[in-house]
Amino acid sequence: KAGVTQTPRYLIKTRGQQVTLSCSPISGHRSVSWYQQTPGQGLQFLFEYFSETQRNKGNFPGRFSGRQFSNSRSEMNVSTLELGDSALYLCASSLARGVDGYTFGSGTRLTVV
Amino acid sequence: GENVEQHPSTLSVQEGDSAVIKCTYSDSASNYFPWYKQELGKRPQLIIDIRSNVGEKKDQRIAVTLNKTAKHFSLHITETQPEDSAVYFCAAADTAGFQKLVFGTGTRLLVSP
Repeated sequence: KAGVTQTPRYLIKTRGQQVTLSCSPISGHRSVSWYQQTPGQGLQFLFEYFSETQRNKGNFPGRFSGRQFSNSRSEMNVSTLELGDSALYLCASSLARGVDGYTFGSGTRLTVV
Repeated sequence: GENVEQHPSTLSVQEGDSAVIKCTYSDSASNYFPWYKQELGKRPQLIIDIRSNVGEKKDQRIAVTLNKTAKHFSLHITETQPEDSAVYFCAAADTAGFQKLVFGTGTRLLVSP
């Protein structure tokens, strides 16, 4: 079966712009969580979506937002990009709510210049 | 908040040797402890996990041990092979509470032939 699909794989944006990243979970998986991975801060939790509702949010500024659609696909948006937003953004899907059985996608590498 | 410390940051071994990576967590409510392997440019992949009601779990050459009293858990890889070379992350979660993984900072394992 298809894994977790993230698009695009690579993005280059300019400071001040906004960006939208997409995550399609494994078929049948209803929970999507997002993580930011940087060399300095490691892997940090952004948010969790389940049944089109944000269930949890990590300690990130309001510039980071997301949503989930009825087919469980999720998008993440970052507005007013800063250089420090350069990172690998990973989404993980699971069958039900929670961290059990997470399957990660390959990520979107965002570079802000 | 929850914190997970991971040591060592780098580990070099000869093929066939054993490798041990150690993690310490701070939140006594944590009850789920997965380990992920991330090869260069690829997604994190779950290799083994353990829950707080179990002290040890094995899967072929990989084993994880958990000491709840000391809040320590460790990954043991026996008979290492060059293809084990990757970055390994430990993580902890309270599956009854905030549904997120708190990751360690990673261990770069290099297995030399």
